[in-house]
Amino acid sequence: QVKLLQSGAELVKPGASVKLSCKTSGFTFSTSYMTWLKQVPGPSIEWIGWIYGGDGASNYNQKFKGKATLTVDRSSSTAYMDLSSLTSEDAAVYFCATGYNYFDYWGQGVMVTVSS
Amino acid sequence: NIVLTQSPATLSVTPGESVSLSCRASQSISTSIHWYQQKSNESPRLLIKYASQSISGIPSRFSGSGSGTDFTLSINRVESEDFSIYYCQQSYSSLYTFGSGTKLEIK
Repeated sequence: QVKLLQSGAELVKPGASVKLSCKTSGFTFSTSYMTWLKQVPGPSIEWIGWIYGGDGASNYNQKFKGKATLTVDRSSSTAYMDLSSLTSEDAAVYFCATGYNYFDYWGQGVMVTVSS
Repeated sequence: NIVLTQSPATLSVTPGESVSLSCRASQSISTSIHWYQQKSNESPRLLIKYASQSISGIPSRFSGSGSGTDFTLSINRVESEDFSIYYCQQSYSSLYTFGSGTKLEIK
């Protein structure tokens, strides 16, 4: 069955960067799209962008350009998201999910805390 | 950006009741709306795609309808496991957006 296993919770200092991972199994990664989303309590869920497992083509929410960088490692069927120059505004739970216009399988989510 | 407005924000019901949750788009989006359920401390789960298309493994009591700007998620005879938050999401524009959710709670 489809599984998306995300890396563990992160505590990072303001200004630092963090790389989140999403290891997948149970489907053909090289012909699939992986999406990343951000959830902060109250304001709901934001779409960050998607990346295609085949050739690494990507599409970002303009709001997250320069903040998030999506990559894939096809050899391990893993998707990654780098978040740079973190501030308190970046504290959230981040999800990876399959699909590019609707999201049918989700990772368990990873909480990112930004604090000195 | 396409804004999705969900109503009501909170809906209190008794198990066994049937309910309708609303999602209104700020402009016409055809049927490019998808519905998710999120239980406390869990990841969202896809319930309905493209307004009314069912998803494998989702109970038949969940159904969706609508087109243009007005969409509805219906739950026929709510069960205890259905008390959670429901989100709609649009994929009509290249900037995908979510509604702010409707919390379904036990009355």
